[in-house]
Amino acid sequence: AQKVTQAQTEISVVEKEDVTLDCVYETRDTTYYLFWYKQPPSGELVFLIRRNSFDEQNEISGRYSWNFQKSTSSFNFTITASQVVDSAVYFCALSLAGTASKLTFGTGTRLQVTL
Amino acid sequence: EAQVTQNPRYLITVTGKKLTVTCSQNMNHEYMSWYRQDPGLGLRQIYYSMNVEVTDKGDVPEGYKVSRKEKRNFPLILESPSPNQTSLYFCASRLGQGGYNEQFFGPGTRLTVL
Repeated sequence: AQKVTQAQTEISVVEKEDVTLDCVYETRDTTYYLFWYKQPPSGELVFLIRRNSFDEQNEISGRYSWNFQKSTSSFNFTITASQVVDSAVYFCALSLAGTASKLTFGTGTRLQVTL
Repeated sequence: EAQVTQNPRYLITVTGKKLTVTCSQNMNHEYMSWYRQDPGLGLRQIYYSMNVEVTDKGDVPEGYKVSRKEKRNFPLILESPSPNQTSLYFCASRLGQGGYNEQFFGPGTRLTVL
């Protein structure tokens, strides 16, 4: 069975600091997909990124970047120059390739960005 | 606008009083599912459906029922709610049946069972 671990329960930073959210996953499948979702205080889940297991290229989108390393089974998320609007709970999730596959979520990391 | 809608958004009820949370999507997605979110546990899948009349249990199905009579709707039924079902519930849908596809989530339903 697959598992996702987000060891950081809560992180507090001051605005403009860089912050990295850790995600470690476990699966025996060779084909799988990794996701990050953001849950702002309003409660909805916002899709941020998807990465498949065959693509280890890092990705950058504005102030966000993702570092996927199969060797350490990690898919870490970095926010550069954090802003107050980045305050949210961030979830890492894993999905397998099967037709009935679900998203297996980590427990989430609450990020608090203060002025 | 492509979206997943849920109703109600907030519900306070009492133990044993049957309730239904509705979920509807307008994207013609085959796959729909329900998750519950609890502090320290993340989101866990309750039930899922791969198409009309095809449903199956997720990780935490006890105390819940679902049906999929139409492609767009996937209601979650609590026949006899108990306090341990107090939670934040999300409905989700995705295109096709592969894990690659992004799941679109509804806005959530916050349920309190007294």
